[in-house]
Amino acid sequence: RKEVEQDPGPFNVPEGATVAFNCTYSNSASQSFFWYRQDCRKEPKLLMSVYSSGNEDGRFTAQLNRASQYISLLIRDSKLSDSATYLCVVNEALNEKLTFGTGTRLTIIP
Amino acid sequence: EAQVTQNPRYLITVTGKKLTVTCSQNMNHEYMSWYRQDPGLGLRQIYYSMNVEVTDKGDVPEGYKVSRKEKRNFPLILESPSPNQTSLYFCASSFWGFSYNSPLHFGNGTRLTVT
Repeated sequence: RKEVEQDPGPFNVPEGATVAFNCTYSNSASQSFFWYRQDCRKEPKLLMSVYSSGNEDGRFTAQLNRASQYISLLIRDSKLSDSATYLCVVNEALNEKLTFGTGTRLTIIP
Repeated sequence: EAQVTQNPRYLITVTGKKLTVTCSQNMNHEYMSWYRQDPGLGLRQIYYSMNVEVTDKGDVPEGYKVSRKEKRNFPLILESPSPNQTSLYFCASSFWGFSYNSPLHFGNGTRLTVT
């Protein structure tokens, strides 16, 4: 089983729709969680951290479910500019290892 | 402007010809790391450094060397490149390890092709 797993997609979603995707992690001792966004052939950039209580940043909502070991990202009122690959990133704090998912590719269609 | 700078952006070379990819950050970050990104495999860590003169192997260190003589610089060295090292490489840095207060910042990538 991969340490961090994501559905690779692609997800093709009409503009204005709501889209959500999950990421599962295998190490129950994982300490911190992040979503990064990566545009084609560009560097990953931090989208948002994922806190235990869940958190929201504008149209984006991140949730953590420790019991089921997954994190989620919800995008409301999707824009064309949201088209990108979304990387789930998990910090296994015991050995300071940061593990990346392979990413979920999202395309917003006009 | 706070940034992580990698050079070159694109590099085509031949098998066995030593090369160095430079990485520099201007944020006074303690932690620096190199990743390679391949289709279907995601980002995999090559080497990382927690501080000057301290480096450690990541998940895929074979065929690579690094050094950390100064805090701001963390070059990646391929002594004898091979075609299986053709990849997209990213340098990254953060204040200290990874935490909610210390996110990872990435350079803009180096696309390496070894023929």
